[in-house]
Amino acid sequence: GAVVSQHPSRVICKSGTSVKIECRSLDFQATTMFWYRQFPKQSLMLMATSNEGSKATYEQGVEKDKFLINHASLTLSTLTVTSAHPEDSSFYICSAPGQGKGTEAFFGQGTRLTVV
Amino acid sequence: GDSVTQMEGPVTLSEEAFLTINCTYTATGYPSLFWYVQYPGEGLQLLLKATKADDKGSNKGFEATYRKETTSFHLEKGSVQVSDSAVYFCALDTGGFKTIFGAGTRLFVKA
Repeated sequence: GAVVSQHPSRVICKSGTSVKIECRSLDFQATTMFWYRQFPKQSLMLMATSNEGSKATYEQGVEKDKFLINHASLTLSTLTVTSAHPEDSSFYICSAPGQGKGTEAFFGQGTRLTVV
Repeated sequence: GDSVTQMEGPVTLSEEAFLTINCTYTATGYPSLFWYVQYPGEGLQLLLKATKADDKGSNKGFEATYRKETTSFHLEKGSVQVSDSAVYFCALDTGGFKTIFGAGTRLFVKA
């Protein structure tokens, strides 16, 4: 089945630095990727939709200058958390939509970001 | 707009107990319905799905039936195990690619 690979799985960074999270579709092409954020014991909050070859679409309330999304190819989308602060610490998950009606989405393994 | 409502957790059960996690949805059209499971520190993985009314999805002893008349997709398992401890998400997809998730229900199973 389709596989989405997300790296790194865990990252600790200092306040003020930037962190890049990669999401790759390994055996299929994904023109769209979704980026979610999950706070402890809470559901997934959709942050943005990444579109290959065009600008990402951000959900209301998400700072596009802080969370930079690039979809450089049909198999790679990246999320860069710029000038990270402790409140950005969270679990970030990417997903590729199903490949047709009734097919499930495919999720990366998630990235636990801790900003100290 | 489309939405998914599932029972709040956490749910704590003893091993071999019966599990029900309620899920209802609101959607225009005919959505596909899913249950995803998230084990600690991991991403989500599909548990089961149903794509049309009266379909029953099943996997690993879990079942859910797509009930259009009650707009529900309740998750059940006859005998839970400690290894079933996880967060369960009910979700729908109306065919527009975007998946809409419920809030998630955390399940703890005690030995």
